[in-house]
Amino acid sequence: AQSVAQPEDQVNVAEGNPLTVKCTYSVSGNPYLFWYVQYPNRGLQFLLKYITGDNLVKGSYGFEAEFNKSQTSFHLKKPSALVSDSALYFCAVSRAETGANNLFFGTGTRLTVIP
Amino acid sequence: DAGVTQSPTHLIKTRGQHVTLRCSPISGHKSVSWYQQVLGQGPQFIFQYYEKEERGRGNFPDRFSARQFPNYSSELNVNALLLGDSALYLCASSAGPSTGYGYTFGSGTRLTVV
Repeated sequence: AQSVAQPEDQVNVAEGNPLTVKCTYSVSGNPYLFWYVQYPNRGLQFLLKYITGDNLVKGSYGFEAEFNKSQTSFHLKKPSALVSDSALYFCAVSRAETGANNLFFGTGTRLTVIP
Repeated sequence: DAGVTQSPTHLIKTRGQHVTLRCSPISGHKSVSWYQQVLGQGPQFIFQYYEKEERGRGNFPDRFSARQFPNYSSELNVNALLLGDSALYLCASSAGPSTGYGYTFGSGTRLTVV
């Protein structure tokens, strides 16, 4: 079975400070890992993914995430937060196989960047 | 280049009615997946279609069905609507059959059942 845990429902950070949104996962075998962002009344926007290769993944809007296999984590980070980063962030996992056809999402973390 | 298009954007239905939601994938994408996002939760997988065949089904009752057309657009049908079906329904488009290809999501259809 696959699952994702986002241990923080809410993260507050001051504008200009670094931000971290945490994600841990459980999957049999190797994972594909994803981060999506959701603004109010909108769908999900893709930020970045880990499929294979370098553990540090760089994505859209200055975000990055580090795949840590031993800790089964894939935390989302950004060096300097913007007020416009305030949104709902979802981590998702699937098995790393050609037949994997569904993503398992966490419950989301609401990020608020304080001016 | 158009992204993933979903229609309608909002609709309100009465318990027991039937609803059809529509999705047009990105041009050239052959895979469409459907997800249900209940308020306050993460999206949950309903179906995946690739090359007009069902490739996966989540843990949803038989009231939920879907199909993919020759032009790769898709419909999600829900019969005998319940209050608990109220949710944002998201369609995801992908170039290939597995999650490794990455998904692009539409803006969703907000369904309210009263």
